[in-house]
Amino acid sequence: GAVVSQHPSRVICKSGTSVKIECRSLDFQATTMFWYRQFPKQSLMLMATSNEGSKATYEQGVEKDKFLINHASLTLSTLTVTSAHPEDSSFYICSAVPVPRINEQFFGPGTRLTVL
Amino acid sequence: QKEVEQDPGPLSVPEGAIVSLNCTYSNSAFQYFMWYRQYSRKGPELLMYTYSSGNKEDGRFTAQVDKSSKYISLFIRDSQPSDSATYLCAMSTGNDMRFGAGTRLTVKP
Repeated sequence: GAVVSQHPSRVICKSGTSVKIECRSLDFQATTMFWYRQFPKQSLMLMATSNEGSKATYEQGVEKDKFLINHASLTLSTLTVTSAHPEDSSFYICSAVPVPRINEQFFGPGTRLTVL
Repeated sequence: QKEVEQDPGPLSVPEGAIVSLNCTYSNSAFQYFMWYRQYSRKGPELLMYTYSSGNKEDGRFTAQVDKSSKYISLFIRDSQPSDSATYLCAMSTGNDMRFGAGTRLTVKP
């Protein structure tokens, strides 16, 4: 149980385009999902907390107009990288917290974004 | 000072060795302590979850939490090449979770 999927697993796009990444909890409901960014050989950097039915909470320094998050249902959150640039190239990972458990985050497999 | 400190390694051990991974932290409000394993280019996988101080064992893995010293450990017995991965410690107050930088472990056959 507690499986989280992400789609796509890898995406390559041209500078200036927008990319949408989906995060789904497959066998549980999650009122809260998190979006992380990870650079090579570095730890996870929390970008935002996504709550179903409400606006996401962004960490300091993360541009909310750049990284649009939508948590439309208890099993789906999306991250859209708008007008992507090469510096946005990274590994993006989502996690979900099963209801009503707290503090146990289950991670998706990640999405590698490369912006040319 | 970072809230969570973890030696990034790399750590290389022979197969069968006992591995000790550690994290220290500064926020005494942390109550929940986790260890995640992350293989290259994959998402982290929850290995161990501990609430407050004490030990927890699961197969070859033992997690220890010492809240008085603000120190947590993960021990891996009889390490295997398949244990080669990056191990991330994580801790939470109940509202906020923080991750260590991760320790890259290689177990050589």
